[in-house]
Amino acid sequence: DVKVTQSSRYLVKRTGEKVFLECVQDMDHENMFWYRQDPGLGLRLIYFSYDVKMKEKGDIPEGYSVSREKKERFSLILESASTNQTSMYLCASSFPRMNTEAFFGQGTRLTVV
Amino acid sequence: GDSVTQMEGPVTLSEEAFLTINCTYTATGYPSLFWYVQYPGEGLQLLLKATKADDKGSNKGFEATYRKETTSFHLEKGSVQVSDSAVYFCALSDGWGGGFKTIFGAGTRLFVKA
Repeated sequence: DVKVTQSSRYLVKRTGEKVFLECVQDMDHENMFWYRQDPGLGLRLIYFSYDVKMKEKGDIPEGYSVSREKKERFSLILESASTNQTSMYLCASSFPRMNTEAFFGQGTRLTVV
Repeated sequence: GDSVTQMEGPVTLSEEAFLTINCTYTATGYPSLFWYVQYPGEGLQLLLKATKADDKGSNKGFEATYRKETTSFHLEKGSVQVSDSAVYFCALSDGWGGGFKTIFGAGTRLFVKA
C-alpha cells in the first residue's frame, strides 16, 4: 500500500519559532510537493522538488523554505512562524509524468499562536 | 496562467439525488484533468482522471468527461450516498518549465442527508 507520511497531525507553535514539517514517501517518487489548504482557497503550492537537492518555488513561497537531502524525504521549514501561517499543510508525491496522480499525506494542522 | 474554477459549496443533497459539480479550466498547454476527494480528517485521494479530449474518467459511480471545446470537466453521480459526503477538488496538470505542476480548484463541500 502506497504511503505518504507526515510527521505530525497537529502542531501548535509560538510566533517567531522555527518550525519543521516532515514528509516521507515510500513509492520511490521523484516529485514531492508541499501545499497549504485554506477554506475557500483550495490548495496552493508552496514548493516542489523534482529530485534530491532540487527545489522550485510554487505560488506562495514567501516565509517558507524546503530541504530534500534524500529522495524519500521532503521537509518544509517555517523560518519564523507567524499567525498568518496557521493552516493545513499537505505533502504529496508523484512520478514525473503529467498524467499521473499525486499521492497525499494526511495533512498537518498547524496553529501559530 | 493556468487556473481551475469550480462551483462554490456547500452542496447539500438527499440520498439518491443526482450530483453535478461544475469545473472549468484555463490552460496554456494540453493539460491532464483530475478529480480528487478529501474525506473528513484525511488527505486528498484521486477519484478519477482524464488525459485527453473526450476521455471519460469514472470510479465509484462518479464520472467526468474532458471537454476541450468548453474547457470543462464536470463531476456527476447518478445517485449519491451519505458516504459520499466529502470535499471534492478539480485539478489540472500542465507543463511548467522543464516539468509540470498541478493546479487545484477551491474545493466543493458535499453534504448528503439520509
